[in-house]
Amino acid sequence: GAGVSQTPSNKVTEKGKYVELRCDPISGHTALYWYRQSLGQGPEFLIYFQGTGAADDSGLPNDRFFAVRPEGSVSTLKIQRTERGDSAVYLCASSLQGGDNEQFFGPGTRLTVL
Amino acid sequence: DAKTTQPTSMDCAEGRAANLPCNHSTISGNEYVYWYRQIHSQGPQYIIHGLKNNETNEMASLIITEDRKSSTLILPHATLRDTAVYYCIVRVAGGTYKYIFGTGTRLKVLA
Repeated sequence: GAGVSQTPSNKVTEKGKYVELRCDPISGHTALYWYRQSLGQGPEFLIYFQGTGAADDSGLPNDRFFAVRPEGSVSTLKIQRTERGDSAVYLCASSLQGGDNEQFFGPGTRLTVL
Repeated sequence: DAKTTQPTSMDCAEGRAANLPCNHSTISGNEYVYWYRQIHSQGPQYIIHGLKNNETNEMASLIITEDRKSSTLILPHATLRDTAVYYCIVRVAGGTYKYIFGTGTRLKVLA
């Protein structure tokens, strides 16, 4: 079956612009996570959704970052007034209802802010 | 969440067992140990997890010490396709189930 998909695979933008990154989780997975990975580092947690609600957004670095999941399936990570330091690979993962269930990761979106 | 410590890199000969250690000396009684790996330019892939007992699946074995302060991931017959960064993660049971990744071990399987 289809895994987690993320679009676009690559995004190049200019400093100060707004970007949206999309995640399509595995069908039926109620838990969805966003992580950010900088070069040479492990993924860094950003936000966790259980259904439509953000159950834990403690990893969002500042108020320029926001994520939604209005129908409990597709999620969009939104970054306002992008900065060069936002350049990273943004990973999305989903799992069955959170818990001990493994997280399935998508291939990521590589964001480059010039 | 407990912090994990892993060697930065390891080499292993193809066909040999790869033993990847992880130290999690501050682990709590309700924290699970998870292992994921990340092949270049892909998202992390689940390998195995455990709480107290040793675990085995089709990919690997996980050996957790009795005091749970360390664990070892064993790939019994490493192949070139096992070359990846391997992450050891501890995660609290309950809560938001988020993972706290370290920098992992870069395993290189040599022909």
